[in-house]
Amino acid sequence: QQQVKQSPQSLIVQKGGISIINCAYENTAFDYFPWYQQFPGKGPALLIAIRPDVSEKKEGRFTISFNKSAKQFSLHIMDSQPGDSATYFCAEPPLPNNNAGNMLTFGGGTRLMVKP
Amino acid sequence: DSGVTQTPKHLITATGQRVTLRCSPRSGDLSVYWYQQSLDQGLQFLIQYYNGEERAKGNILERFSAQQFPDLHSELNLSSLELGDSALYFCASTTEGNNEQFFGPGTRLTVL
Repeated sequence: QQQVKQSPQSLIVQKGGISIINCAYENTAFDYFPWYQQFPGKGPALLIAIRPDVSEKKEGRFTISFNKSAKQFSLHIMDSQPGDSATYFCAEPPLPNNNAGNMLTFGGGTRLMVKP
Repeated sequence: DSGVTQTPKHLITATGQRVTLRCSPRSGDLSVYWYQQSLDQGLQFLIQYYNGEERAKGNILERFSAQQFPDLHSELNLSSLELGDSALYFCASTTEGNNEQFFGPGTRLTVL
């Protein structure tokens, strides 16, 4: 069974600070690592995703970094803003060539609060 | 707005009852996924349908069942409800060959 360990469970950051959320995975065969963002009362929405053939991907203030040897990928939010306050989930897709559909296995989530 | 719609938004019912949650995927999406989100279990995959057929099953209880209709909308049926079934239920859809899942706004189920 896939395991996705996400930390921390909650995070409080001052406006302008850097928020860092980590995810550890077990299997190296995955080909896609997404991060989802969920605001209260809404469904999750894809924030940013990375493939393991690159070590870093940046979109605006959001950066995913991927450490294959440590089996870890991280989300960095630079210049964190109060509007970034949400719950963030990392996720793993099924193993490639596994006829088990395309469902996602989510980490436990990180509740981020950015204080003004 | 993701383009995925779910009804109802809220549902309050009693233990032992049966409810049906409805999901309409984005136009053109053939895959529908159901997830359960509770405080202590996070987001858990329940079941996936692709073009009317079951594709994958997760931690779905035997009391729960789902189906996808020819017009591609899907229904999740929850029966013999227990207090622990209280949760948010999300539906998501994807386009063939695309990893991104688009989530609906969810149905909040409260079992009293």
